[in-house]
Amino acid sequence: GDSVTQMEGPVTLSEEAFLTINCTYTATGYPSLFWYVQYPGEGLQLLLKATKADDKGSNKGFEATYRKETTSFHLEKGSVQVSDSAVYFCALKSGGYQKVTFGTGTKLQVIP
Amino acid sequence: DADVTQTPRNRITKTGKRIMLECSQTKGHDRMYWYRQDPGLGLRLIYYSFDVKDINKGEISDGYSVSRQAQAKFSLSLESAIPNQTALYFCATQGLDTQYFGPGTRLTVL
Repeated sequence: GDSVTQMEGPVTLSEEAFLTINCTYTATGYPSLFWYVQYPGEGLQLLLKATKADDKGSNKGFEATYRKETTSFHLEKGSVQVSDSAVYFCALKSGGYQKVTFGTGTKLQVIP
Repeated sequence: DADVTQTPRNRITKTGKRIMLECSQTKGHDRMYWYRQDPGLGLRLIYYSFDVKDINKGEISDGYSVSRQAQAKFSLSLESAIPNQTALYFCATQGLDTQYFGPGTRLTVL
């Protein structure tokens, strides 16, 4: 079945540092890929998505590229801020199925 | 106003009690979902509904039941709560690709 593996946290970075959170997936067909973010005390919200190979999703300075050859969708940001502190979830949705498979989440803490 | 709302936001109950968590949405989506979130386990799907007459079990449905009262309302029940059901519960709707989450209900079963 479908699965998503993302790097374990927590990840602690200083403000303005470069961020990478790794995500790899296993799926049948050609899934859509997502990054969701969960700020403290809130539900998840979509950060970015990519629906086909080589697509790059981007939002709020975050980027991720759909790499079919390596089945990866790594999240990157060039300069993190304290306000980026949150839990980040990688997720996929396969073909015609309407269920989303989530990774276990990676907690990011950015210190001033 | 929030598109997806959940009530209550926090609940403490005792083992054996029946609990209902409610979810309402104003996004007009047919598809709705219930997840639970546990530390280190991410989100796990409990039940999902593609429309009022179509309800399906997720990966961890044992001990839970649901009711889809209308397109906008999807309730989750714990018939006889047990301590390992202590978790954060999220309701979500789905548009074309994106899921929209409520703020969550933190449930503690003593």
